[in-house]
Parts: sequence; C-alpha cells; structure tokens
Amino acid sequence: SYVLTQPPSVSVAPGQTARVTCGRHIGGYSVHWYQQRPGQAPILVVYDDDARPSGIPDRFSGSYSGNTATLTIIRVEAGDEADYYCQVWDSSSYQVVFGGGTKLTVL
Amino acid sequence: EVHLVESGGGLVQPGGSLRLSCAASGFVFSNFPMSWVRQAPGKGLEWVSLVSASGGSTYYADSVKGRFTISRDNSKNTLSLQMNSLRAEDTATYYCAKEYYENSGYSHFDHWGQGALVTVSS
Repeated sequence: SYVLTQPPSVSVAPGQTARVTCGRHIGGYSVHWYQQRPGQAPILVVYDDDARPSGIPDRFSGSYSGNTATLTIIRVEAGDEADYYCQVWDSSSYQVVFGGGTKLTVL
Repeated sequence: EVHLVESGGGLVQPGGSLRLSCAASGFVFSNFPMSWVRQAPGKGLEWVSLVSASGGSTYYADSVKGRFTISRDNSKNTLSLQMNSLRAEDTATYYCAKEYYENSGYSHFDHWGQGALVTVSS
C-alpha cells in the first residue's frame, strides 16, 4: 500500500522558515497539505503539490522534488503551531492516504 | 458558505452499531464526492470511506471494509456512515469532508465538518 513518511516533529523560532517533508513510497501523485490546530478540524493549506487555496497566507508554499514533497512556511508565527499532514489520492488502490503528521513547534 | 455538520456520535459497546450523519449546505451537494475521515485520540488522520457524487461508487479503508457502509441522500444533502461490529480501535472523532473538485475524480478535501466523537467501550 501507499506510504507517506513525515517527521514526527519540527521546531523553529518565530520569524524563521519551517520545512515539513513528506516522503513518498511510490512517486507520481499530487500531494496536498492540511493544518490542524489543537481541538480543531483540519484546514487545507496547499493542494496539487504547490497551489494555495484562497485565504491561505502566501507564507505557505508547497514543492516537490524527487521522492519528497515539502511544505514550507516562511516568517513563522506563533499561530502556525499545529500538526501538518500530507495526503494523496492513490488511484491504483482507490484509497486516500495520509502521512503520519508532523507537529510544528514554534519556540 | 460551505457548512458540514456531523451528528450521531456517542458511546457504544463493542460489537454494537452506530450511524453517523453529515448535513451539508452552501454548495451543490450532488456534484461533489464526499468522505469520512477519523482521528483516534492523540493520533493522526485516517481516511475511512469515500462515496462518489452520484452515490454509485464507494470505497473503504481496509480497516473498516465489510463493517462500515457509506451512503448519501442527494435529495436531502446528507451523507451517512453506518458502522457495525464496532471495536475499541474504532474510537475516534469522525469528520465528514468535501472533495475539492466538482464532478472530476478524487483528489483532496477543501472543507471539513467539526467532527463527531464515537467511543466504543463497555
């Protein structure tokens, strides 16, 4: 089955840049990213590898290279502290796959 | 504005059944595939099931296949999840989620409900 690997945690100081990676077991699919603050439902922050929904600050961006997708947050703020999940649609098995999630801590 | 409101959560004994509902508004419900995604306490997101816009196609995670049934009533803008033979490991907050693309395959979710808590315990 499809596997998406994320680091359990990333820490960054305010104003710095955070990078959250999502490694694919098999390549070729578009990657989407969600932010989930404690006690809240997830919010889509990046879709189709590098597109940003309306209302999401341009501090959030996505990229993909080789076998790894990356969510980058520049000028990190305290309010960015949350869990971040990557996700793909595995069309070979007709299943939605989430990464294990990365807890972003703002120091 | 899109609204998704789950209901039907609660406490159920192992082996029991429960039916979740999701009331949708603010978009043309019949044009979009819908999914259920769950999150066990302190754990990550786990996709559960997806139904096509028409309701004619359904897909399930291996962990719930044969026990859960997803359905939709496009005349009532309602998504449902019938959960049978519940186990302790099914304890989670269950979210309904709307597919981003209209009438064009499956990809990702642009709107989520606030979730319904299901607790399976004796």
